[in-house]
Amino acid sequence: AQSVSQHNHHVILSEAASLELGCNYSYGGTVNLFWYVQYPGQHLQLLLKYFSGDPLVKGIKGFEAEFIKSKFSFNLRKPSVQWSDTAEYFCAVNARAAGNKLTFGGGTRVLVKP
Amino acid sequence: GAVVSQHPSWVICKSGTSVKIECRSLDFQATTMFWYRQFPKQSLMLMATSNEGSKATYEQGVEKDKFLINHASLTLSTLTVTSAHPEDSSFYICSAQSASGETEAFFGQGTRLTVV
Repeated sequence: AQSVSQHNHHVILSEAASLELGCNYSYGGTVNLFWYVQYPGQHLQLLLKYFSGDPLVKGIKGFEAEFIKSKFSFNLRKPSVQWSDTAEYFCAVNARAAGNKLTFGGGTRVLVKP
Repeated sequence: GAVVSQHPSWVICKSGTSVKIECRSLDFQATTMFWYRQFPKQSLMLMATSNEGSKATYEQGVEKDKFLINHASLTLSTLTVTSAHPEDSSFYICSAQSASGETEAFFGQGTRLTVV
């Protein structure tokens, strides 16, 4: 069975700081990888996804993530955060052999101080 | 992106009663819908996978007789929490996958259930 681990539960940083959120998964086969964001009071939205090809994926709102297969990682980055990036971020994995079920990490709450 | 709507957004019910939550794909057909449960400050836990026209597949530890799932059409799945108890209070979220084969799932806004 696949599992997803997000290293940080809470991150607090100031505007313009750089952000990196770690995500590791355990599954030996081919996977699709996702980062979702949940703004306060809103539903989950897709930030970016990786299916195949270039391991550096660019998403919306200036976010990017890099898939490193050898490390089973899919870390999320943003060079300069804004107050509006305050949200909870979820990494998710879908093992292609397991159909389309998504397994989520525990989530990371990010607070950006103005 | 595609729109998935859940109804109601929140509901309060008495212990012992049943509550039905609807999940609709508004602008696409969804062959597969997923139901998740999210406890406070925790991640989403998959409860079951709902396929149109067939029985739902439940994850280990989820009582299928308590959480009844129906997916009668390509745009609607329902989750009924039967004989609800306070420990069933949670945030329930559905997601839907397009029949076109796109592997991205689109999420509803969630339903907050409080059982008193």
